Amino acid sequence: LAKTTQPISMDSYEGQEVNITCSHNNIATNDYITWYQQFPSQGPRFIIQGYKTKVTNEVASLFIPADRKSSTLSLPRVSLSDTAVYYCLVGAGGRRALTFGSGTRLQVQP
Amino acid sequence: GAVVSQHPSWVICKSGTSVKIECRSLDFQATTMFWYRQFPKQSLMLMATSNEGSKATYEQGVEKDKFLINHASLTLSTLTVTSAHPEDSSFYICSAKPGQGQSPQHFGDGTRLSIL
Repeated sequence: LAKTTQPISMDSYEGQEVNITCSHNNIATNDYITWYQQFPSQGPRFIIQGYKTKVTNEVASLFIPADRKSSTLSLPRVSLSDTAVYYCLVGAGGRRALTFGSGTRLQVQP
Repeated sequence: GAVVSQHPSWVICKSGTSVKIECRSLDFQATTMFWYRQFPKQSLMLMATSNEGSKATYEQGVEKDKFLINHASLTLSTLTVTSAHPEDSSFYICSAKPGQGQSPQHFGDGTRLSIL
């Protein structure tokens, strides 16, 4: 399974755009990239998933370069409620579980 | 869509008792469900993969006789912590996937287990 590397923590202020980059150098051809958000004492919540180029939904954008060895989760105009841990996972799906790395703890200040 | 419900959300029990945690996919069928464990300030660790109608697959280091998994239907998997001890206290989280393709895993809200 492809291993991921993310910054341990990030700080931001309300209204700013936050970009969290994840490195996954040994990503396989069949692997997709999935990002989750987790609040304390809750299960992870799906944010976005992509395979290549750019994916955008109502809450975030995911940028994946051509070599797919990294990806960047972009959160536009964060608020205090975006303070959470963000996990980048890489996997091919099917019946195999995703493996969690250490995640990035995002702290949004007023 | 793709809602996973976990019950109970919180349980406290005495050492030596067994505790059952349920994981249900509410609006989809899941042939495969996953059980994770999370300690404070740490990431999720996969414990086992639950397959409907067959035996679960446990990760290395996870005692299958300690953590009994049953996946009797396409919408329900249960994790039973047998003869629980204080070191089993943790946050247990299940997840399920609609289908077997690239659809993402959806997680329950977890069960906080405290063994006294």
